[in-house]
Amino acid sequence: DSGVTQTPKHLITATGQRVTLRCSPRSGDLSVYWYQQSLDQGLQFLIQYYNGEERAKGNILERFSAQQFPDLHSELNLSSLELGDSALYFCASSVDWSRGTEAFFGQGTRLTVV
Amino acid sequence: DAKTTQPNSMESNEEEPVHLPCNHSTISGTDYIHWYRQLPSQGPEYVIHGLTSNVNNRMASLAIAEDRKSSTLILHRATLRDAAVYYCILNSHGGNNRKLIWGLGTSLAVNP
Repeated sequence: DSGVTQTPKHLITATGQRVTLRCSPRSGDLSVYWYQQSLDQGLQFLIQYYNGEERAKGNILERFSAQQFPDLHSELNLSSLELGDSALYFCASSVDWSRGTEAFFGQGTRLTVV
Repeated sequence: DAKTTQPNSMESNEEEPVHLPCNHSTISGTDYIHWYRQLPSQGPEYVIHGLTSNVNNRMASLAIAEDRKSSTLILHRATLRDAAVYYCILNSHGGNNRKLIWGLGTSLAVNP
């Protein structure tokens, strides 16, 4: 158990809909990262937050948005969903983004858009 | 962004050592080298990381070349549970940010 909790584990929804994925980082970790992994692909970095502030953006679509709340949990919002958005979405947390420390990953949310 | 290059796949026999190579020729001085592994349908699991010196932990050893342009993850005795995709990643510092830059990884098969 990495200590990072992601909910829900599975999500099936229709095209055009909007979903919210939730991540609770390990206790004490201030950094949260979101990644997308499509079938048989590597992890694509989406966005990073540190203590409530956006720190880095990767290949995140405009239809996607995220935030980190005062209690440090984070949500990834995906809207106007398309079939190609079907993927595993992972959240990771780390204690200190500035010192290159390791990140711990949740078990992911498997999103299926039909 | 600095990138890493790994072989697509490797094969090993159980209880034998495994050396997983990674090239990162454009690494910068502040980039940490991280290794993670991922089992099917699971989140990536941290294995080891280092900056300049070789590192050992209970899971593996990390050997870093003197010029830091390559590194090798060493599993001392492979088990069937070590079959996974292994990612060599740079924890890269750019501007005011650090982020993990992922490649496609090496799929390790372990034969009984």
